Amino acid sequence: DAGVTQSPTHLIKTRGQQVTLRCSPKSGHDTVSWYQQALGQGPQFIFQYYEEEERQRGNFPDRFSGHQFPNYSSELNVNALLLGDSALYLCASSRGRTPNQPQHFGDGTRLSIL
Amino acid sequence: AQTVTQSQPEMSVQEAETVTLSCTYDTSESDYYLFWYKQPPSRQMILVIRQEAYKQQNATENRFSVNFQKAAKSFSLKISDSQLGDAAMYFCAYRSAYNNAGNMLTFGGGTRLMVKP
Repeated sequence: DAGVTQSPTHLIKTRGQQVTLRCSPKSGHDTVSWYQQALGQGPQFIFQYYEEEERQRGNFPDRFSGHQFPNYSSELNVNALLLGDSALYLCASSRGRTPNQPQHFGDGTRLSIL
Repeated sequence: AQTVTQSQPEMSVQEAETVTLSCTYDTSESDYYLFWYKQPPSRQMILVIRQEAYKQQNATENRFSVNFQKAAKSFSLKISDSQLGDAAMYFCAYRSAYNNAGNMLTFGGGTRLMVKP
């Protein structure tokens, strides 16, 4: 039973570029959440997707956008990259959005901006 | 908005000894969940233990237990018989129990635990 998988593992970009990160949820899960974890800090919630729509959003600018596909996989897109976007991006999946459903995390994508 | 604070950036413990990691949180809600996650160098967030705010009894999972003080908004993690494999970053996290809040997590800043052989 595959867990949450994220790709790529590591990515290097330059300022101003655009990037797409990908996440496949754990089998049986239909809800995907994205978090940004800066070095030495705790993860911060970016947004959550359910039924192919953004259902909840944290305090992140519109440069951060996402998408969920019919097979429940998800993409995180970041435009006009800034040095401050360098971070570990974590994807978490769950079965539904109710609070009692635990979130399962992937290993993350390390994004470095030069 | 809810906030989670971990006041200990780093802690160290001798192998086989006991260590307690601290966490405080701020919320106006009465029903919520609290979690401790472990993040080893492999980066994956691993759920260690979970506490439901309406339950008086403190949660335990093998060598891991919590001290949940709802009035004080305190949620500490005790690790007994520490093992080398316990070395990692530990994050305290909060989640609202209200359905319209979804299941997003609010994390603290983390505590790095070092285990000395």
